[in-house]
Amino acid sequence: RKEVEQDPGPFNVPEGATVAFNCTYSNSASQSFFWYRQDCRKEPKLLMSVYSSGNEDGRFTAQLNRASQYISLLIRDSKLSDSATYLCAVNYAHDKVIFGPGTSLSVIP
Amino acid sequence: NAGVTQTPKFQVLKTGQSMTLQCAQDMNHNSMYWYRQDPGMGLRLIYYSASEGTTDKGEVPNGYNVSRLNKREFSLRLESAAPSQTSVYFCASSERGLRGASYSGYTFGSGTRLTVV
Repeated sequence: RKEVEQDPGPFNVPEGATVAFNCTYSNSASQSFFWYRQDCRKEPKLLMSVYSSGNEDGRFTAQLNRASQYISLLIRDSKLSDSATYLCAVNYAHDKVIFGPGTSLSVIP
Repeated sequence: NAGVTQTPKFQVLKTGQSMTLQCAQDMNHNSMYWYRQDPGMGLRLIYYSASEGTTDKGEVPNGYNVSRLNKREFSLRLESAAPSQTSVYFCASSERGLRGASYSGYTFGSGTRLTVV
């Protein structure tokens, strides 16, 4: 089993839709969790951190479920500009950050 | 603009040639990293430096060496390039080392697209 797994997609959704991505991780000692956004042929950029209590930033909501070892990202009212690849990242206890392979999102007019 | 600067942006090498990828950050970050990104494989950590003067291997260090020249600069060297090293290379930095309780995420450079023929 890979250490961090994501559904690669692609997710094709209409504008205004709500879409959710999940990311599972295998190491229960993981300490920190993040979502990054990567546009085509660009570098990843930090979208948001994921806290145990869940956190929201505008149309984006991130959740952590330690018991089931997954994090999620919910995007409400999707915009064309949300089209990108979304990477989850997991920080383990011994100086390792593992990225998932990414989930591709296309928002369609 | 503040951030992480990588050079070169593009490079084509012949098998067996050597080269050094340069990375510099001006955010006074302690930790710096080199990743490679391949289709279907995601980002994989090559080497990292938790602080000036220290370097450690990541997931895929074979065929690479690194130098943390000072707090700002972290270079990646390919001594004898192989076609398997064709990839996009990203340098990143973070405010706190990975052992810190308040790890804050990475700032990435814009990448180096390397082709080895």
